[in-house]
Amino acid sequence: DAGVIQSPRHEVTEMGQEVTLRCKPISGHDYLFWYRQTMMRGLELLIYFNNNVPIDDSGMPEDRFSAKMPNASFSTLKIQPSEPRDSAVYFCASRQGTQTQYFGPGTRLLVL
Amino acid sequence: TQLLEQSPQFLSIQEGENLTVYCNSSSVFSSLQWYRQEPGEGPVLLVTVVTGGEVKKLKRLTFQFGDARKDSSLHITAAQPGDTGLYLCAGLYNFNKFYFGSGTKLNVKP
Repeated sequence: DAGVIQSPRHEVTEMGQEVTLRCKPISGHDYLFWYRQTMMRGLELLIYFNNNVPIDDSGMPEDRFSAKMPNASFSTLKIQPSEPRDSAVYFCASRQGTQTQYFGPGTRLLVL
Repeated sequence: TQLLEQSPQFLSIQEGENLTVYCNSSSVFSSLQWYRQEPGEGPVLLVTVVTGGEVKKLKRLTFQFGDARKDSSLHITAAQPGDTGLYLCAGLYNFNKFYFGSGTKLNVKP
């Protein structure tokens, strides 16, 4: 299995632009998680889905952030408009039931 | 404010030395996990502990869950350069939400 796939791996954008991060979970996994990692705040859960349905989005920092999972093999995290403080590494992770959670390689976002 | 505090934040040791990393909280967790993360990659699960007082061993790594399920430790015996990385603990606060600790960055020098 290819593992969790994220794209792009790196993104540099200017403040005010829209940013879309993409994730393909491991096939057969029914849970998908979006995390953000910064030096200051560490690794934080933003939102998670179960069977494509958002279950808990209490970690989403602001209305500028939105996430969707249109099908079992694809999810997006969108930031509109982006701000410099959104600069971080964004991870997607997936899991089957209560089994091990597997992380993708992350998207390193820099907002100038 | 971090729900889980890890100490030390940074650790630089020589190959062959022993070390212990701590993960502490005022909250009770139903389970706790330890991950290792290497630069440019996502965290990789090392172990899950569930029962208070539980001890698990993974080669030279020994993991312990506190009796009250509020804290945990990771002990590495005879550290090797390949152990270098960021070690993260994560507590399961409800059924699906893991809260991650602040992390311990370990550097093992040859």
